Amino acid sequence: GEDVEQSLFLSVREGDSSVINCTYTDSSSTYLYWYKQEPGAGLQLLTYIFSNMDMKQDQRLTVLLNKKDKHLSLRIADTQTGDSAIYFCAESSGGFKTIFGAGTRLFVKA
Amino acid sequence: NAGVTQTPKFQVLKTGQSMTLQCAQDMNHEYMSWYRQDPGMGLRLIHYSVGAGITDQGEVPNGYNVSRSTTEDFPLRLLSAAPSQTSVYFCASSYARAPSRNSPLHFGNGTRLTVT
Repeated sequence: GEDVEQSLFLSVREGDSSVINCTYTDSSSTYLYWYKQEPGAGLQLLTYIFSNMDMKQDQRLTVLLNKKDKHLSLRIADTQTGDSAIYFCAESSGGFKTIFGAGTRLFVKA
Repeated sequence: NAGVTQTPKFQVLKTGQSMTLQCAQDMNHEYMSWYRQDPGMGLRLIHYSVGAGITDQGEVPNGYNVSRSTTEDFPLRLLSAAPSQTSVYFCASSYARAPSRNSPLHFGNGTRLTVT
């Protein structure tokens, strides 16, 4: 079945860039998402990329998609302590099910 | 506009007890779903609904029942709780019948359930 994999932890210094990586298996994925989860809260949509795009930039966030390798990354420029959270990669082929990765916990050191 | 509201926030059950986790949304969303979140496993889809009166199974439906009698509410029932159901449960909804870039999932804040 479909699967989404991502590393579980990432630690960066404040002001550095963070890069969170994700791989997926479903070649029919249409939408790829990044969600952010802060402690005690639900997931909030950060950004998405459509499968026919290679890159999307939104302020400090850059999403890169390598469709051939089924690899998605999220780069956060000038990482702040407020960016500490769990980041989930998710994919959907446009149907009723969105498949989530296990989440990458980002630690930002001051 | 409250969004997606889940109650209770925390619950402790004994093995064999039953309970209902409540989920309500006030955004007139067609699609509603339940996920469970376990460490190292991400979110797994339990059940989903594409409209009132329509429900279907997700990845891990065993031990859970759902119903969708109104557009707003999508309760999740545990008929006989087991320790394996200890988890954090999230309800999520989207405007369209199928989540998409223009209709992403909106999540509640979760219910933390412990079964002893």
